Amino acid sequence: EVQLVESGGGLVQPGRSLKLSCVASGFTFSNYGMNWIRQAPGKGLEWVAYISSGSSYIYYAETVKGRFTISRDNAKNTLYLQMTSLRSEDTALYYCASWRYWGQGVMVTVSS
Amino acid sequence: DVVLTQTPPTLSATIGQSVSISCRSSQSLLHSNGNTYLHWLLQRPGQSPQLLIYSVSRLESGVPNRFSGSGSGTDFTLKISGVEAEDLGVYYCVQGTHAPMYTFGAGTKLELK
Repeated sequence: EVQLVESGGGLVQPGRSLKLSCVASGFTFSNYGMNWIRQAPGKGLEWVAYISSGSSYIYYAETVKGRFTISRDNAKNTLYLQMTSLRSEDTALYYCASWRYWGQGVMVTVSS
Repeated sequence: DVVLTQTPPTLSATIGQSVSISCRSSQSLLHSNGNTYLHWLLQRPGQSPQLLIYSVSRLESGVPNRFSGSGSGTDFTLKISGVEAEDLGVYYCVQGTHAPMYTFGAGTKLELK
């Protein structure tokens, strides 16, 4: 069974940092480019970042460029998102996804 | 930036009714490699999105064949031939042609009439 399990979310103050993790199982993680996609409460989907299967290509949405860093460890079947200088508008449910496979999401709330 | 415009924003249907959702792009989604990377997702209430159709018309494994996709260039359509209760939720189109800047449509909520 394919699983993507995100963790690391929570309540954080503006300007602080948080690191999300996503552990994959049930498929060959190292063969897939991966994304972080977020959904603000009651809103639609927003692509955040992409990393290729071998980490050679990394891209970010303009809204997070310079503040977020995507990375992966294929030996650990894990995807990461390091988030710094968090803003209230970063409040959202963050999904780890390959388009075909999606995690259940992890909530990040940025508030003082 | 590519903008995807979905219509209608809300769709009311009865069980068994056939419905269509439109996704119009501000730029052609035909990639230089000849492929068109326009996909459709369904997000059921309280659930993560799931891939229904990829590359305009290719049905994802396990997705019922009452779902179909069509279109080219800038105009695309998702059709459900005979809505079932499990089809309720929000449908999103997403483009990958102009990756890595993936963009989503705003979504179409399918509800029961």
